[in-house]
Amino acid sequence: SQQGEEDPQALSIQEGENATMNCSYKTSINNLQWYRQNSGRGLVHLILIRSNEREKHSGRLRVTLDTSKKSSSLLITASRAADTASYFCATLANAGGTSYGKLTFGQGTILTVHP
Amino acid sequence: NAGVMQNPRHLVRRRGQEARLRCSPMKGHSHVYWYRQLPEEGLKFMVYLQKENIIDESGMPKERFSAEFPKEGPSILRIQQVVRGDSAAYFCASSPFLGGSTGELFFGEGSRLTVL
Repeated sequence: SQQGEEDPQALSIQEGENATMNCSYKTSINNLQWYRQNSGRGLVHLILIRSNEREKHSGRLRVTLDTSKKSSSLLITASRAADTASYFCATLANAGGTSYGKLTFGQGTILTVHP
Repeated sequence: NAGVMQNPRHLVRRRGQEARLRCSPMKGHSHVYWYRQLPEEGLKFMVYLQKENIIDESGMPKERFSAEFPKEGPSILRIQQVVRGDSAAYFCASSPFLGGSTGELFFGEGSRLTVL
């Protein structure tokens, strides 16, 4: 599996339900980020969690990070049709104190929320 | 405050032609990254540039691909003698200073290259 592998690959739910996506990675990280991509569009940054954090919230988003298992999950609560998009996790590796935007992306989860 | 601007949004080239993709970072951002997204895949890092300097090109194919970020003007990703396998979406991202210290990037809408 590649760095930043996500599951499921596709998720289909009804409006109002919660959506959970998981991400696994391989190497030591500085932080892990989640991005959203609408079809044919660019990526939009959703949330960032640092390696020393375990959980973070932003609106309807909740991200957890388990560095011992090298995994993260993104929970979207009370989903809406407008949440339909692809969701990618991306990791920033530890680079000996020098970090820059060389992110490693997963394959993404395609979320479809039916009205 | 305009975001990251990429053009063209769509580009069609025949095999053997050259493709030039342009990226203007967000105002105040001096660090530019290029990523490639093949169909049904995540983004793959290609190159990281600051003004007039290539910092990391470890993700760039050794042949036919080049990138620059001149003192004046946009960053350019150049693909010479394109082949069908170059068909992809090419995304530019920028950050305000050294990786934004967190790695959070601001992405453009992408340039979608189709090679016939």
